[in-house]
Amino acid sequence: SYVLTQAASVSVAPGQTAKITCGGPSIGSRGVHWYQQKPGQAPVLVIFYDSERPSGIPERFSGANSGDAATLTINRVEVGDEADYYCQVWDSSSVPRVFGGGTRLTVL
Amino acid sequence: EVKLLESGGALVQAGESLRLSCAVSGFKLSDFAMSWARQAPGKGLEWISTISVSGGSRFYTQSAKGRFTISRDISQSMVYLQMSGLRGDDTAVYYCVQSQGYYDSFWGQGTLVTVSS
Repeated sequence: SYVLTQAASVSVAPGQTAKITCGGPSIGSRGVHWYQQKPGQAPVLVIFYDSERPSGIPERFSGANSGDAATLTINRVEVGDEADYYCQVWDSSSVPRVFGGGTRLTVL
Repeated sequence: EVKLLESGGALVQAGESLRLSCAVSGFKLSDFAMSWARQAPGKGLEWISTISVSGGSRFYTQSAKGRFTISRDISQSMVYLQMSGLRGDDTAVYYCVQSQGYYDSFWGQGTLVTVSS
């Protein structure tokens, strides 16, 4: 089945830009979706189909997808953005919904 | 406002069965696919099962096939996950999820299932 690879952790200072990547073979040909999960809370969809933002998600969150990597970018990072971020794609194999292992964003 | 409220999580012995329930509100169940996902303690997200918009198709991850059954009751706005033959590696928080095609739009707060061996 398809495998998504994410770095375990990313650290950034408040006000800076965080980039969280999600790797997979030719992932650029797939739609990538991103979820934010704060400690003790349920996941929340923050980006769908590579770069679309659900209502209520700040414009500071954006996404891109090309080649073998998709990227979630968070501009002007706030302490409240500290969370685990998971990428997800749909696959036609026996496991249609595939999640990356997650990246913990730490705001220093 | 979309709401998904799971219930039914419990501490059970290995080999036992359990049924999880999800009460939905704020949308018509007949308009969406619904899924269950889980998260083992300290681990990442794992998709378990999806029931299609029509209810006519059901999909399962390999570890759930033959042991878990997803169903729904549109009249009651309820989604269920019947689990049998539970194992230690089924220990997790189980989430009810509103699905939109290839992604998941809303997640419930989850219910904890602990399987003791």
